[in-house]
Amino acid sequence: NAGVTQTPKFQVLKTGQSMTLQCAQDMNHEYMSWYRQDPGMGLRLIHYSVGAGITDQGEVPNGYNVSRSTTEDFPLRLLSAAPSQTSVYFCASSASGSRYEQYFGPGTRLTVT
Amino acid sequence: GQQVMQIPQYQHVQEGEDFTTYCNSSTTLSNIQWYKQRPGGHPVFLIQLVKSGEVKKQKRLTFQFGEAKKNSSLHITATQTTDVGTYFCAGLRSGGGADGLTFGKGTHLIIQP
Repeated sequence: NAGVTQTPKFQVLKTGQSMTLQCAQDMNHEYMSWYRQDPGMGLRLIHYSVGAGITDQGEVPNGYNVSRSTTEDFPLRLLSAAPSQTSVYFCASSASGSRYEQYFGPGTRLTVT
Repeated sequence: GQQVMQIPQYQHVQEGEDFTTYCNSSTTLSNIQWYKQRPGGHPVFLIQLVKSGEVKKQKRLTFQFGEAKKNSSLHITATQTTDVGTYFCAGLRSGGGADGLTFGKGTHLIIQP
């Protein structure tokens, strides 16, 4: 099993550009989530999904969209990148919700200039 | 909203000394999870505590959950260089369900040989 995979590993965007961060898991986990990690801020929840077709907002959802058309994939879209979105983005999955162990992907380091 | 405070932010120790990080929540928690993130890596699940007053041990690591389920601690005995990293607690508020985990900002453990 590959676990949770994320692409790309690194990305540089200009202000106003859009892009999609990819996340996939092969553990048949129902629950998937996106976090951003900024220095001194810990991990903050952006969006999460409890199953295919169901998504909801976390603590810091503004400027991001998600969809969940399959159990395996949970892409994160930046609609119009801003320098404040410079961060490391982690995707995570778990067997059934946030009551269980979260498996994190390796992360995407995004810089917006 | 729910806040999870974690102290200290940084801890320097000599190899062989003990280390403790503390986690305090503004609300009663359903459970608390602990993660370790090595420099440049992603968070990796260590343990979950669910019961009031629960104590769990993993080799040199001891985890405690407070009686009121609002605080927790991680204690490492006789630190080794392999313990270097950032330790995060993550709490799920009581009745939280799919709302997602709230992470503390982490404690960076720096070990001097």
